[in-house]
Amino acid sequence: KQEVTQIPAALSVPEGENLVLNCSFTDSAIYNLQWFRQDPGKGLTSLLLIQSSQREQTSGRLNASLDKSSGRSTLYIAASQPGDSATYLCAVDNDSWGKFQFGAGTQVVVTP
Amino acid sequence: DTAVSQTPKYLVTQMGNDKSIKCEQNLGHDTMYWYKQDSKKFLKIMFSYNNKELIINETVPNRFSPKSPDKAHLNLHINSLELGDSAVYFCASSQPHGGGKVNEKLFFGSGTQLSVL
Repeated sequence: KQEVTQIPAALSVPEGENLVLNCSFTDSAIYNLQWFRQDPGKGLTSLLLIQSSQREQTSGRLNASLDKSSGRSTLYIAASQPGDSATYLCAVDNDSWGKFQFGAGTQVVVTP
Repeated sequence: DTAVSQTPKYLVTQMGNDKSIKCEQNLGHDTMYWYKQDSKKFLKIMFSYNNKELIINETVPNRFSPKSPDKAHLNLHINSLELGDSAVYFCASSQPHGGGKVNEKLFFGSGTQLSVL
């Protein structure tokens, strides 16, 4: 059974610092991995989707890497801003039908 | 124009009642999902429909019954509500690999916060 772990559970950084969020998963036979952002009281927004054949994806200040063999993904957010404060969730798809297993998330606070 | 919309946003009800949550997507996706987020914010999949056919059915009490009248709509009906059903329920849609299409991002609705008193 796939288990997804995110470390740390919470992170507080001053504005301008780079953020590094970690995700690990136990079953490397994945179809893809997604990183999401969730703001309080809101739904989830997909930030980056990495296909199993890819090593990384980039969008603006966000970069996500995937190492399937070691069961790890890392989300980097460069030059953090207060608007980046949110919970970031990692999810992996093992069965090709989008049955995503989610991690518990990392709650990020960026202080001005 | 909201991609995945679900109603109502809040639902407060008494134990034992029956309630429904509706979801609609205008993204043209073939697959829709119901996820449950518990009080500890942990998200877990409940059901998935592909072109009106049930393809994922997790270990969910049979008091929960999803219905998909067409591929753009997926509703969730809950019978005999219990205190433990209190949670946020999210609808989502995508175009997964298993449907023979390019794997796309998962799009979520804004959630329905269900409180059972």
